[in-house]
Amino acid sequence: DQQVKQNSPSLSVQEGRISILNCDYTNSMFDYFLWYKKYPAEGPTFLISISSIKDKNEDGRFTVFLNKSAKHLSLHIVPSQPGDSAVYFCAASASGGSNYKLTFGKGTLLTVNP
Amino acid sequence: SAVISQKPSRDICQRGTSLTIQCQVDSQVTMMFWYRQQPGQSLTLIATANQGSEATYESGFVIDKFPISRPNLTFSTLTVSNMSPEDSSIYLCSVVGISIYEQYFGPGTRLTVT
Repeated sequence: DQQVKQNSPSLSVQEGRISILNCDYTNSMFDYFLWYKKYPAEGPTFLISISSIKDKNEDGRFTVFLNKSAKHLSLHIVPSQPGDSAVYFCAASASGGSNYKLTFGKGTLLTVNP
Repeated sequence: SAVISQKPSRDICQRGTSLTIQCQVDSQVTMMFWYRQQPGQSLTLIATANQGSEATYESGFVIDKFPISRPNLTFSTLTVSNMSPEDSSIYLCSVVGISIYEQYFGPGTRLTVT
């Protein structure tokens, strides 16, 4: 069973517009959430994270929103740039665990068109 | 964040053989992990590489198939033993960052088993 779900395998947006990537989780023990970006032939790159004590975290063009009651988080990229084209992975962790394991979604391929 | 390198970057191996993947970090890190990403799937944690003791394996992964060494705080190896085509995946090592809930990944090793 998938504990972290990214239901959209792909998303295409125009340069300059907003990109919204969504992620849902089922495990109530998850309390720390991360987004990673992955280019082909490279490892995932950490982008932004959010703790469950917050509902929003912003870093430049990237903002992550967390809705705990809905077990849903989203990553907003504004404005989108062609260099943002990559696969984006949502990941979750239960801080009470002893091994700091990350559970990943399957990823969403974002394409930003010039 | 730490600079992480992996060797080899890719390999094509025959069924029944074994491959050892190396992960080198440019600074001492407390926690190192090995993940697998099968085609079209999410990243899945194989094990936590413990310095000076046996690795901690996740459900579905066993030491006989994926022996791991961690001789010091900057280096680890993962061996994929007695390979079958189902082992064709990208194998990634990661390390914990300043925040223990954030992990940083190496570039990955793309393994194809024929």
